Amino acid sequence: AQRVTQPEKLLSVFKGAPVELKCNYSYSGSPELFWYVQYSRQRLQLLLRHISRESIKGFTADLNKGETSFHLKKPFAQEEDSAMYYCALHGSSNTGKLIFGQGTTLQVKP
Amino acid sequence: EAGVTQSPTHLIKTRGQQATLRCSPISGHTSVYWYQQALGLGLQFLLWYDEGEERNRGNFPPRFSGRQFPNYSSELNVNALELEDSALYLCASSRTGTDTQYFGPGTRLTVL
Repeated sequence: AQRVTQPEKLLSVFKGAPVELKCNYSYSGSPELFWYVQYSRQRLQLLLRHISRESIKGFTADLNKGETSFHLKKPFAQEEDSAMYYCALHGSSNTGKLIFGQGTTLQVKP
Repeated sequence: EAGVTQSPTHLIKTRGQQATLRCSPISGHTSVYWYQQALGLGLQFLLWYDEGEERNRGNFPPRFSGRQFPNYSSELNVNALELEDSALYLCASSRTGTDTQYFGPGTRLTVL
């Protein structure tokens, strides 16, 4: 079965500390993985797509097929990073659907 | 470039009624998706429309239906509303069925 797991509901760090938001997936083929972010009172927006290998707002994520993980990292957290983060899997071709994890709330304290 | 738009922002209905939610995709996008975000259940895929046709549906009963118009906008209809249909309904669009999905602000449906 295709599944995305984000084990932490809440991650609380201090400003300037490193951040790692965990994401594990279950998928037998070649996955396409995304991180979406939802800031307070804003819409869900794309943060990263693994095939683009970009760094957005200082965040990076590497696909590890051996560990079936796609963890999101940032070396120095900022208060404005506080938001809900969702990992999503675009699985089998021609289904159209994204499979989302349950989300992790990142709280960056001053 | 305008993003995905949805209307109405909020919708209050009573049990047994029908609800209609609307979505306009980003210009140039032909695929529209609907997701339900219910409390405690996360984001669940509902429907995918592309070029006017329903391409896939999630694990929801048939009273959840919709359509896509020639201008690629879409409607989601929920018949015989139940209390557990109360949720945020998100619409997304993409250029093709395999491209990145961009989300609208959602419609909050409350069933009393």
